[in-house]
Order: sequence, then C-alpha cells, then structure tokens
Amino acid sequence: DQQVKQNSPSLSVQEGRISILNCDYTNSMFDYFLWYKKYPAEGPTFLISISSIKDKNEDGRFTVFLNKSAKHLSLHIVPSQPGDSAVYFCAASAIGGSQGNLIFGKGTKLSVKP
Amino acid sequence: DTEVTQTPKHLVMGMTNKKSLKCEQHMGHRAMYWYKQKAKKPPELMFVYSYEKLSINESVPSRFSPECPNSSLLNLHLHALQPEDSALYLCASSPVISYEQYFGPGTRLTVT
Repeated sequence: DQQVKQNSPSLSVQEGRISILNCDYTNSMFDYFLWYKKYPAEGPTFLISISSIKDKNEDGRFTVFLNKSAKHLSLHIVPSQPGDSAVYFCAASAIGGSQGNLIFGKGTKLSVKP
Repeated sequence: DTEVTQTPKHLVMGMTNKKSLKCEQHMGHRAMYWYKQKAKKPPELMFVYSYEKLSINESVPSRFSPECPNSSLLNLHLHALQPEDSALYLCASSPVISYEQYFGPGTRLTVT
C-alpha cells in the first residue's frame, strides 16, 4: 500500500501562471516532507522541504504547504516557467530522516507551456 | 564538485552474468544510498551506508551485493539477476544519513 500518493500523473500549465502539485500521505509518523524535481536522464534534485512543525515553507518561486490534519501537502510554483517542466516527486521521512529512508510518491509530470 | 556520478549509464546483462554498478561522489558526504526505480514507480530504497558501514538493508535479495570501499565510492555487485530486476538504479549521497540526498543520474539496467 502506498504511503505517499501523488494522484495526478501529469499537469499542464501556462507560463506565468501558478502550478499546484499535490501529495497525500497515510503514515502519521512522517515528520519531514520533501519535493524533488527530475529531468529526463538526470537523477532527482532536491527542491524544498518542510518539517511537520511548520505549515508553510517558501523559497523563491516555490512554496510548500503542509496540512497535517488532512495529511496533505502541496507545492506551489509562481510564476511557472518553461524550465520548470519536469517530473516532481513528493517524498516523506520519519524520525527527521535519521534512517535515511525516504518514501517517494510516483511523481507528477509538469509541463509549462510558453 | 557537487555531483554524484554513476557508471555505466546503461547495462545489459544475461541472467548468468556478474556485473557491477559504480557510484562516486567527492563532496565529502559520509552517507551513500542505493535506490531501485521501476518504470512508472517511485524510487525504492535498497541500501544505506554510513561511514562506510552498511546501515540499512531493505530486505534486498542476496543477488544484489553492495560494497563501500571508501568514503567516496559505492558499488553494487550483481549476480544471477532476474528479468524483473530490470530497472533504473539510482545512487545518492548526503553529508550524514538524512533526508536531503543528492542523486546521481542512474544506471539503466536490462536483464535478458
């Protein structure tokens, strides 16, 4: 059973608009959440993270929101740029990642059209 | 140098072959990881090394044998694999065991 779910396999957005990528999790022991971005033929690249003690973390155009009661997090990209087109993985970790065990979602492919 | 390199990029092997995947980083990281990613699935953790010692083995079959000869290098030795082992094998590293991991581009393995 998947502990981290990304229910939208793909998302298409116009350049300049907001991209919202969603992620749900089932394990209440998760206390750190991350987003990774992956271009074809490259490994995943760390993008942004959030601790379970926060509900929002912002880094430039990227903001991650965490709703613990709903076990839901989202990544907002504003404004979206064509270079943001990639597969975005949501990942979760328990015990602050001290065991290095990241649980990934299946990914959402974002296409930003000029 | 802020990257994790993996060789080879692609590997095709028969079920009776023995081969090795190599991963290298020169960022001074002391934790290194192997992940397996099947098509349209998320990466799944296989092994974690911390300070050159095996820290986590996620119940991986013995036909996969990891080795960490030094702090910069991580190998994955393959023997008697099955066609269902065909996947993208990703290596990652981090300063210590943590959630913020730096990934290599992966080795695309096909077992025939």
